Amino acid sequence: GAVVSQHPSWVICKSGTSVKIECRSLDFQATTMFWYRQFPKQSLMLMATSNEGSKATYEQGVEKDKFLINHASLTLSTLTVTSAHPEDSSFYICSATPSGPNQDEQYFGPGTRLTVT
Amino acid sequence: GDSVTQMEGPVTLSEEACLTINCTYTATGYPSLFWYVQYPGEGLQLLLKATKADDKGSNKGFEATYRKETTSFHLEKGSVQVSDSAVYFCALSGVNTNAGKSTFGDGTTLTVKP
Repeated sequence: GAVVSQHPSWVICKSGTSVKIECRSLDFQATTMFWYRQFPKQSLMLMATSNEGSKATYEQGVEKDKFLINHASLTLSTLTVTSAHPEDSSFYICSATPSGPNQDEQYFGPGTRLTVT
Repeated sequence: GDSVTQMEGPVTLSEEACLTINCTYTATGYPSLFWYVQYPGEGLQLLLKATKADDKGSNKGFEATYRKETTSFHLEKGSVQVSDSAVYFCALSGVNTNAGKSTFGDGTTLTVKP
């Protein structure tokens, strides 16, 4: 159980275009999902917290108008990278914590490799 | 604020060697502590966790003990396998904080050679 999927697993796009990444919890409901960015050989950087039915909470330094997050249901959150540039190329990972009292575990998606040319 | 410091890598071992990856943390109160593993091209998987002092987390032959007095959570395995080659992340989650707000260490790359 506790499987999180991401789609697509990799994407190549041209500068100036927008890319949408989906994160789904397949067998549990997640009131809260998280979006991370990981640079090569570096740790995860939390970008934002996605709350079902409300606006996302962005970490300091993350442009909310560039990285649009929508949490449409208890099993789906999307991250849209708008007007992508080569510096946005990265590995984007989402995670989800099951709804309920046990909030100390999170389940990660397999990640999406974005390359902007 | 909270922070996690991990032993720098990369670490290269021969199969069946002993492994220790050091992890120390700075946090207020009693955070939950985690080790995650990331295989090439994949997301992170929870390897083990401990939620209070002196707890020992264990999974797949890996162990880590929550040491409050030394603020450490070192990862150990007595005999590594080639399949253990991956990046290992130590993380903490603050008291009453959702695990998604965890603070991660920089990761330690482990390569096990046959």
